[in-house]
Amino acid sequence: GENVEQHPSTLSVQEGVSAVIKCTYSDSASNYFPWYKQELGKGPQLIIDIRSNVGEKKDQRIAVTLNKTAKHFSLHITETQPEDSAVYFCAASSSGGGADGLTFGKGTHLIIQP
Amino acid sequence: EAGVVQSPRYKIIEKKQPVAFWCNPISGHNTLYWYRQNLGQGPELLIRYENEEAVDDSQLPKDRFSAERLKGVDSTLKIQPAELGDSAVYLCASSLGQRDEQFFGPGTRLTVL
Repeated sequence: GENVEQHPSTLSVQEGVSAVIKCTYSDSASNYFPWYKQELGKGPQLIIDIRSNVGEKKDQRIAVTLNKTAKHFSLHITETQPEDSAVYFCAASSSGGGADGLTFGKGTHLIIQP
Repeated sequence: EAGVVQSPRYKIIEKKQPVAFWCNPISGHNTLYWYRQNLGQGPELLIRYENEEAVDDSQLPKDRFSAERLKGVDSTLKIQPAELGDSAVYLCASSLGQRDEQFFGPGTRLTVL
């Protein structure tokens, strides 16, 4: 089955500085890569996703890049703000996000220092 | 629009006791998922429903776990008997269809003593 590795496990950056979280996956058939943000006591919330026919996607301060050859994808957050502090999960699926469920990474605890 | 609703939010039980979790998905969502999230880990899929049919339960420990989704709407996940290792957050998610965005509920935090 799919295996998703996520790094780093903890990332601390100064407010206003960019943050990058990286993930690798093992199943070359995976074609859907969402990123979730989870705040304490809440369920994961989708913040951005990318499908395998696209190399990059951007939504305001958040961007995701995908390298299918190398089987890795990254989350970029620019101009970080205190409210960006949370745990971020990458995930992968070979069925557009559903049929096999999502395989999640272990998460990155992002800390934005004021 | 209301999101995915789960209850209870917290549950503390002693080992060998039964426990049940309830999920009400977003109205109109045909696909429902149950995930388990251990401390410091990402969610892991337990079971997926398409309407009332369980189409992927390969990760569900069937000796003690059971789930149902009567009438293709609400769902219940049960553990009987609970073990210490079952302590985790149990997340329910739903989506319009199997290829659509999954929306997660707040989860039920289970502590087994």
